[in-house]
Amino acid sequence: DAGVIQSPRHEVTEMGQEVTLRCKPISGHDYLFWYRQTMMRGLELLIYFNNNVPIDDSGMPEDRFSAKMPNASFSTLKIQPSEPRDSAVYFCASSDFSDEQFFGPGTRLTVL
Amino acid sequence: KQEVTQIPAALSVPEGENLVLNCSFTDSAIYNLQWFRQDPGKGLTSLLLIQSSQREQTSGRLNASLDKSSGRSTLYIAASQPGDSATYLCAVFRDDKIIFGKGTRLHILP
Repeated sequence: DAGVIQSPRHEVTEMGQEVTLRCKPISGHDYLFWYRQTMMRGLELLIYFNNNVPIDDSGMPEDRFSAKMPNASFSTLKIQPSEPRDSAVYFCASSDFSDEQFFGPGTRLTVL
Repeated sequence: KQEVTQIPAALSVPEGENLVLNCSFTDSAIYNLQWFRQDPGKGLTSLLLIQSSQREQTSGRLNASLDKSSGRSTLYIAASQPGDSATYLCAVFRDDKIIFGKGTRLHILP
């Protein structure tokens, strides 16, 4: 298995633009997690899904953020409109029943 | 509210020495605890996962312990190598919450 795949790896956009981050979990994993990492706040859980259903989205910072998982092999995290304070590295992770999480390489987002 | 603390924030150790990284948490009612390694510019790599019913896990030169009553976990690295240089994070899991520490940045001196 290729592991968790994220795209793009780097994204630079201007304030106010829509940003869509993509994630493909490891095949057979039924949990998918979105995280955000910043120097000030460390790694924070934004939202996670179980069997494509959002379970806990309490970490989503505000309504500008939304996440979907239309099927077991694909998820998106969308920010609309983006702001400079959204600049961070966004990680996707997946796990199976064992709870051990496997992380993707991350997407480094810069909002100018 | 669960808080996870990792001290020190940074550590430099000569190659070959054994070392211990610390993780403390305020709420002992956790489901499990996981240690990660993060290399610059890369995602997190899972090192060890300790279930709440376990006291330790071992993988190669790594040993992680868990003491729920005192709210502490340690990651022991034996015979450190320059390739061990990275940031090490712990995360605690409870119900549907996952809380990360800010990590310890480890530098092994050749």
